[in-house]
Amino acid sequence: DTGVSQDPRHKITKRGQNVTFRCDPISEHNRLYWYRQTLGQGPEFLTYFQNEAQLEKSRLLSDRFSAERPKGSFSTLEIQRTEQGDSAMYLCASSPRQPSYEQYFGPGTRLTVT
Amino acid sequence: AQKITQTQPGMFVQEKEAVTLDCTYDTSDQSYGLFWYKQPSSGEMIFLIYQGSYDEQNATEGRYSLNFQKARKSANLVISASQLGDSAMYFCAMSLWNQGGKLIFGQGTELSVKP
Repeated sequence: DTGVSQDPRHKITKRGQNVTFRCDPISEHNRLYWYRQTLGQGPEFLTYFQNEAQLEKSRLLSDRFSAERPKGSFSTLEIQRTEQGDSAMYLCASSPRQPSYEQYFGPGTRLTVT
Repeated sequence: AQKITQTQPGMFVQEKEAVTLDCTYDTSDQSYGLFWYKQPSSGEMIFLIYQGSYDEQNATEGRYSLNFQKARKSANLVISASQLGDSAMYFCAMSLWNQGGKLIFGQGTELSVKP
């Protein structure tokens, strides 16, 4: 399977703990995007990378959130000191060089903070 | 401000009939793309169809077609010959080419196909 993969698919954590999610994009895609989707809402943009450079961060991405994409391959999204409001589906997508191309999404990581 | 509006929270359609899901968008940019994604209960976002702002022909992909009316800023999705497997959430999204291609999504429409 050469699609976008995300790990883990589900994560349950206690408030105050740190969590890290991983995204592996389609290999020839140099753009990688992170989105967050809460129940009953459309996904909201968090951040995106072109190769290893993080080019934009949404105001939704508080200081507790950090994302990396070392060597322009896989990406990680870390949430420190989780809060109940962080409970959501975290979606990763990748696309080829041109921004006009469609974004291919991974299966998502569902985070539940208790 | 850039925005996508989907005014139909839920829709019902009889199996084998056609259905139109509405989407309007707001942007002052000239270069953008419009997308429709399907999200079944499993949560994965499945790409359905794409329309570029400079495309003169309406996009079609199998049973899916996008009714693009640029002057009205609408990009409605038409699904022909509905199937039970079409029951899902459908999201309209816009990509702004001068903003790195990030997607702005609407609130979604939940489609239920009746047998």
